[in-house]
Amino acid sequence: DGGITQSPKYLFRKEGQNVTLSCEQNLNHDAMYWYRQDPGQGLRLIYYSQIVNDFQKGDIAEGYSVSREKKESFPLTVTSAQKNPTAFYLCASSRGLYDTQYFGPGTRLTVL
Amino acid sequence: RKEVEQDPGPFNVPEGATVAFNCTYSNSASQSFFWYRQDCRKEPKLLMSVYSSGNEDGRFTAQLNRASQYISLLIRDSKLSDSATYLCVVNSAERDSGYALNFGKGTSLLVTP
Repeated sequence: DGGITQSPKYLFRKEGQNVTLSCEQNLNHDAMYWYRQDPGQGLRLIYYSQIVNDFQKGDIAEGYSVSREKKESFPLTVTSAQKNPTAFYLCASSRGLYDTQYFGPGTRLTVL
Repeated sequence: RKEVEQDPGPFNVPEGATVAFNCTYSNSASQSFFWYRQDCRKEPKLLMSVYSSGNEDGRFTAQLNRASQYISLLIRDSKLSDSATYLCVVNSAERDSGYALNFGKGTSLLVTP
């Protein structure tokens, strides 16, 4: 089965802690993305990667970091510098940067 | 600056009704257009791409009006299972100039028995 997986589904974190969200795809897609969705809001782009070992900031990159060491994996770290991290985080991938994106099931992060 | 705007709704319609959503976009250079469906607390899923000539997939019809910069989605014979939020998505990127995929906030549809 090809697809995108994200883990964990729910994550709770204390203020001041860094946390890493996993995103894996076996679709052989080159491009991967991280979005954040807040209640009643549209998706906002955090980071994207067009190819392995390359990534670019999106609209709201402050307080986040990523890596792209493997084609299949694009983990997102939410750092303690992110002022309002509680949100629904969605990972997506596409064949190329301008192709249709497919989403993983998301991770709900709650900061306590 | 709102790149993509949608009426948030909610649209409450009875089963069997026809409902239409519109979406406007601000960048006239936009190149590709999509409708996604998002169920409550789930990820968005591609419903259909939108082509210049318009396209249909079963009960769903999408149309693009480049001159007026809007996209529409028509749902015929609404089913209870169509209840969801529909996201309008516009790719305004030009090759070699960076990435710009913009999501609308979504239009909420509730189909009632």
